[in-house]
Amino acid sequence: EVQLVESGGDLVQPGGSLRLSCEASGFPFSRSWMSWVRQTPGGGLEWVAHINEDGSDIYYVDSVRGRFTISRDNAKNSLYLHMTSLRGEDTALFYCLGWFSPDNYWGRGTLVTVSS
Amino acid sequence: DVVMTQSPPSLSVTLGQPASISCRSSQSLRHSNGNTYLQWFQQRPGQSPRRLIYGISNRVSGVPDRFSGSGSGTEFTLRISRVEAEDVAVYFCMQTTYWPHNFGQGTKLEI
Repeated sequence: EVQLVESGGDLVQPGGSLRLSCEASGFPFSRSWMSWVRQTPGGGLEWVAHINEDGSDIYYVDSVRGRFTISRDNAKNSLYLHMTSLRGEDTALFYCLGWFSPDNYWGRGTLVTVSS
Repeated sequence: DVVMTQSPPSLSVTLGQPASISCRSSQSLRHSNGNTYLQWFQQRPGQSPRRLIYGISNRVSGVPDRFSGSGSGTEFTLRISRVEAEDVAVYFCMQTTYWPHNFGQGTKLEI
């Protein structure tokens, strides 16, 4: 059974930092692309960041580039998102996604709330 | 960046009747390799999204055949031939041809 379990979401003040983690199982993690996608309180989905199998190709949406860092540890079947300089508009449910063609897997999400 | 525009924002359908959702991209989603990376996701209330369709029209394993995708270039459609109660959800299109990847705004299907 495929599982993606996100953790690390919390209430944080503007300007603060958080590190999200995602533990994967049930599919070939080290051969899969991985992404973070967030869902805003209004319900829209926004793709945030993407990393290829060995971490050599990384992409970010413009609104987080320079503030967020995606990384992975294939030995631990884990994906990370280090978030700094957090803003109110970063408040969202953050999902971890796995891509192993033609399959696509989603976690249940971890909630990040940025507020003073 | 590519802009994905879905319509309508919401849709009320009678059980057993068809439903159609449109997704338009601001530029052609046909990749230089000939593939078109347009997919459709369903998000039921309280659940994570799940992919229904990839590559315009390929149904994910386990997805009922009442769901179908079509289109090309910049115009795409998700059709449900006969809506069932379990289809109540928000539907999103997503392009993964270009970076950054992005989603349409979503279409809420109600019965």
